[in-house]
Amino acid sequence: TQLLEQSPQFLSIQEGENLTVYCNSSSVFSSLQWYRQEPGEGPVLLVTVVTGGEVKKLKRLTFQFGDARKDSSLHITAAQPGDTGLYLCAGAVPPSNTGKLIFGQGTTLQVKP
Amino acid sequence: DTGVSQDPRHKITKRGQNVTFRCDPISEHNRLYWYRQTLGQGPEFLTYFQNEAQLEKSRLLSDRFSAERPKGSFSTLEIQRTEQGDSAMYLCASSLQVNTEAFFGQGTRLTVV
Repeated sequence: TQLLEQSPQFLSIQEGENLTVYCNSSSVFSSLQWYRQEPGEGPVLLVTVVTGGEVKKLKRLTFQFGDARKDSSLHITAAQPGDTGLYLCAGAVPPSNTGKLIFGQGTTLQVKP
Repeated sequence: DTGVSQDPRHKITKRGQNVTFRCDPISEHNRLYWYRQTLGQGPEFLTYFQNEAQLEKSRLLSDRFSAERPKGSFSTLEIQRTEQGDSAMYLCASSLQVNTEAFFGQGTRLTVV
């Protein structure tokens, strides 16, 4: 069974602080996606990483895919209250043709003004 | 709006009743997925279609659940004889066959009382 473990599960920080969310697995994934979800809404895709060692930046968010494609991290610089939400990592199960995703349990982030 | 659309957004039903949800994917997307998300967890895969063919079903999809995509466009998910344990957010996603970036709808929140 392929599992994605996210840590931490909950994070409460002050506006302006930096944070990192981790997504780890013992399995290799064809690609990995990060989503953000607000209460009562569906997940919204933030980024997809495909190549081992890949780094992608989205404004104050930096995403990294591990060299072995088993883990990923999301770093947020100078967090703002608008970053509050549930962050989910999801891996595409090899072979990648199905598009089926395995999700982590999520990291709930609260940024206090 | 050209995103994934789900209807209804909320459904409250009595235990033992049947319910049906609808998903309209992004128009050019030939893959359609159903996921279920319970409180505090990441989404779990239920089933997926490529065009009108249902290609994979999770063990989570008991015989009370049935999904269809008759013309390869919209899809329905029916739950017969609902149980309280069926209470969850039901999410639909769609993607193009050639990549695995999945875009989610806003979900249908089911409450079985």
